[in-house]
Amino acid sequence: DIQMTQSPSSLSASVGDRVSITCQASQDIANHLNWYQHKPGKAPELLIYDASNLKTGVPSRFSGGGSGTYFTFIISSLQPEDVATYYCQQFRDLYTFGRGTKVEIK
Amino acid sequence: QVQLVESGGGVVQPGRSLRLSCAASGFIFSGYGMHWVRQAPGKGLEWVAVMSFDEKNKFYADSVKGRFTISRDNSKNTLYLQIDSLRPEDTAVYYCARVACLLCPLDYWGQGTLVTVSP
Repeated sequence: DIQMTQSPSSLSASVGDRVSITCQASQDIANHLNWYQHKPGKAPELLIYDASNLKTGVPSRFSGGGSGTYFTFIISSLQPEDVATYYCQQFRDLYTFGRGTKVEIK
Repeated sequence: QVQLVESGGGVVQPGRSLRLSCAASGFIFSGYGMHWVRQAPGKGLEWVAVMSFDEKNKFYADSVKGRFTISRDNSKNTLYLQIDSLRPEDTAVYYCARVACLLCPLDYWGQGTLVTVSP
């Protein structure tokens, strides 16, 4: 089984700050990684697919990068509406989610 | 617009069975694979099962293999999850999600249905 180690588990930042989340796979997953945003009581939403591709309609302040075993997710300028939990997900071998990163406003 | 609406959750005693449904609309259901993903209280997302558009391929997480059965009725635009021998650790919100292929991202999700396993 492929394990996904996501960090940090939570963070608090100010509006306008750059926020970075990392996800490390237990083995090479090439670019088979997606990022999701999940707000309480809502349906999760796809933001980034195949490690670095922004889903149509998603604000450009969100970006993703990496390949192999190390991946990053960045919010270039944090906005109040970005308060949510963010998850990475691999699909190289079945499917595994990271444990999530809860993002709050300071 | 794409809509996925889960139903069938509730409070169930341990050992009983439950069938969840996911009604799809706004897209050609028979052309898409479908997943079930769950979230236990205070925990993160956990992948549960996936079925291909044509029912030929289905896969399960090790944690549910043998007790959960994913199925679909393309004539009714509906996905199902049969859960047998329910355990307290199955308590979670269950989401369905759409994929264009089995190696594609989960691009639309429903709002979930809550299953609570309690005596």
